[in-house]
Amino acid sequence: DVKVTQSSRYLVKRTGEKVFLECVQDMDHENMFWYRQDPGLGLRLIYFSYDVKMKEKGDIPEGYSVSREKKERFSLILESASTNQTSMYLCASSSGLAGYLYEQYFGPGTRLTVT
Amino acid sequence: GNSVTQMEGPVTLSEEAFLTINCTYTATGYPSLFWYVQYPGEGLQLLLKATKADDKGSNKGFEATYRKETTSFHLEKGSVQVSDSAVYFCALSEREYGNKLVFGAGTILRVKS
Repeated sequence: DVKVTQSSRYLVKRTGEKVFLECVQDMDHENMFWYRQDPGLGLRLIYFSYDVKMKEKGDIPEGYSVSREKKERFSLILESASTNQTSMYLCASSSGLAGYLYEQYFGPGTRLTVT
Repeated sequence: GNSVTQMEGPVTLSEEAFLTINCTYTATGYPSLFWYVQYPGEGLQLLLKATKADDKGSNKGFEATYRKETTSFHLEKGSVQVSDSAVYFCALSEREYGNKLVFGAGTILRVKS
């Protein structure tokens, strides 16, 4: 059974803290993605990666960075958390160069609250 | 740029009613189209997909047909169940757009017994 796991289901952090969200997939997928989900806005792409040590900005990268040191792991970093980063964060992975044909597999999400 | 528009919810139906959730898209080329479903407390999972015009995706009694002439991919089910209560997302992916998924805002479906 395919699996994408995220390090925490719920997280509460204070403004200004550095926050790490971890994502691991066991499907040997090349592509990995980070989204945030907000009511009425759907899912918006923050960053994605096609390969180890490669990263590309998505639609809303400001205030975030990412790291992909190993193929199976993709980390999202909030350098200095702010209250407007309170959201649900979803990680996903997909296969190969023809990824537009294939589904993305999603983790269960991390609900982050910044106070 | 690419975009997806789906009908606003919430949609509230009685069990065994017919369901339609409208989805239209804007894309520069020939995208693949997807419906994802998110059950309460879970991540998204693929419900069905279609990769070229006139393809019909189907799964668990749900269907959607890729209509290039109307740029639409409406989701339908003939008889909904309480267990279908979830959030439904329409999405597209395009090779020229780097294989990224572009999502609609999501439609909440509530089915009453």
